[in-house]
Amino acid sequence: GAVVSQHPSWVICKSGTSVKIECRSLDFQATTMFWYRQFPKQSLMLMATSNEGSKATYEQGVEKDKFLINHASLTLSTLTVTSAHPEDSSFYICSARDYGQGAEETQYFGPGTRLLVL
Amino acid sequence: GENVEQHPSTLSVQEGDSAVIKCTYSDSASNYFPWYKQELGKRPQLIIDIRSNVGEKKDQRIAVTLNKTAKHFSLHITETQPEDSAVYFCAANGYYKLSFGAGTTVTVRA
Repeated sequence: GAVVSQHPSWVICKSGTSVKIECRSLDFQATTMFWYRQFPKQSLMLMATSNEGSKATYEQGVEKDKFLINHASLTLSTLTVTSAHPEDSSFYICSARDYGQGAEETQYFGPGTRLLVL
Repeated sequence: GENVEQHPSTLSVQEGDSAVIKCTYSDSASNYFPWYKQELGKRPQLIIDIRSNVGEKKDQRIAVTLNKTAKHFSLHITETQPEDSAVYFCAANGYYKLSFGAGTTVTVRA
């Protein structure tokens, strides 16, 4: 149980284009999902918290108009990187909480999306 | 907010020896402390977690200890094997999110 998928696994795009990344909880409902960014040899940096049916909560320093988050259902959250630039190249990972397990704090991670902006 | 510090940043051990990673946290209200293992290019995998009503938890070769008074917790890996080589992250829950340590790169030498 508690499987999280992410799509695509990697993407290469041109500077100025937008990229959408999907995060799905496959066998549980996730009212809360998290989006992280991880640069090489660094820790996970939380970008935003995605809540089903409401606006996402962004961490300080993260541009909400650049990183659009939509959590339209209990199993799907999307992150759109708008007008991507080379400095946005990174490993983007989502996670989801499985409230059904009774351990509401536990987060399960998706496999990540490697974004390269040329 | 919660601040988690993790040490050491790198750890090299001989196969069969033990590895210990230590973390401290700042928010006394934190009550959930997971440990994740991340292999190169892959997702972080939850390997063990502990809640504040427990001082120690063990799962085969992995154990975690928690000292709430001192606000620190540790991961212990015994009888290390080459497949234990990875980056390990500790974390502590804050208001609604996890705060992660900087990570420890563990290398197990054959």
